[in-house]
Amino acid sequence: KNEVEQSPQNLTAQEGEFITINCSYSVGISALHWLQQHPGGGIVSLFMLSSGKKKHGRLIATINIQEKHSSLHITASHPRDSAVYICAVILPGQGNLIFGKGTKLSVKP
Amino acid sequence: DTAVSQTPKYLVTQMGNDKSIKCEQNLGHDTMYWYKQDSKKFLKIMFSYNNKELIINETVPNRFSPKSPDKAHLNLHINSLELGDSAVYFCASSLRVSEAFFGQGTRLTVV
Repeated sequence: KNEVEQSPQNLTAQEGEFITINCSYSVGISALHWLQQHPGGGIVSLFMLSSGKKKHGRLIATINIQEKHSSLHITASHPRDSAVYICAVILPGQGNLIFGKGTKLSVKP
Repeated sequence: DTAVSQTPKYLVTQMGNDKSIKCEQNLGHDTMYWYKQDSKKFLKIMFSYNNKELIINETVPNRFSPKSPDKAHLNLHINSLELGDSAVYFCASSLRVSEAFFGQGTRLTVV
């Protein structure tokens, strides 16, 4: 069993819809990342969280440390949001990321 | 200026060859990483390295070796390439436990 589980694996939405991607992890962590990988392959860090909530534009990330769960929300989704969204955690005392398998999001116009 | 740059972006080579992928970061970060993304798009740590410690994922074959000439560079050397080494390799860097910055990836194809 992977230490980081994401759902759904694939998600198709209509432009303008509110989107939620979930991430659960089974170990104690020092931080959690949400990453975006576009079809061209590059990986960009969207958020790093250790508690609470962060917002950047139409993106919102939340984390509940007690429940070992994080969510990434996209408001007013747009076709350019189409990408793979990856949840990754950092274990205490380490710096490297442990990744979920990603959620492939497709937003249709 | 590119924060984390990898070269080459594409690498096609024959089985048995030895190849290197270069990575440079200009962010002043103290830790660099190599990750492998397999055909199913799953990312996994290969190495992490700061100027004090190299941490190797135990599943990585010893044909793979990181080389760091200085804090800004972490190159990946691969000996005796095998078909199963075909993947996309990402370099990344961070300042201790902080936001990670990724290179654009190197797509390695072994034929």
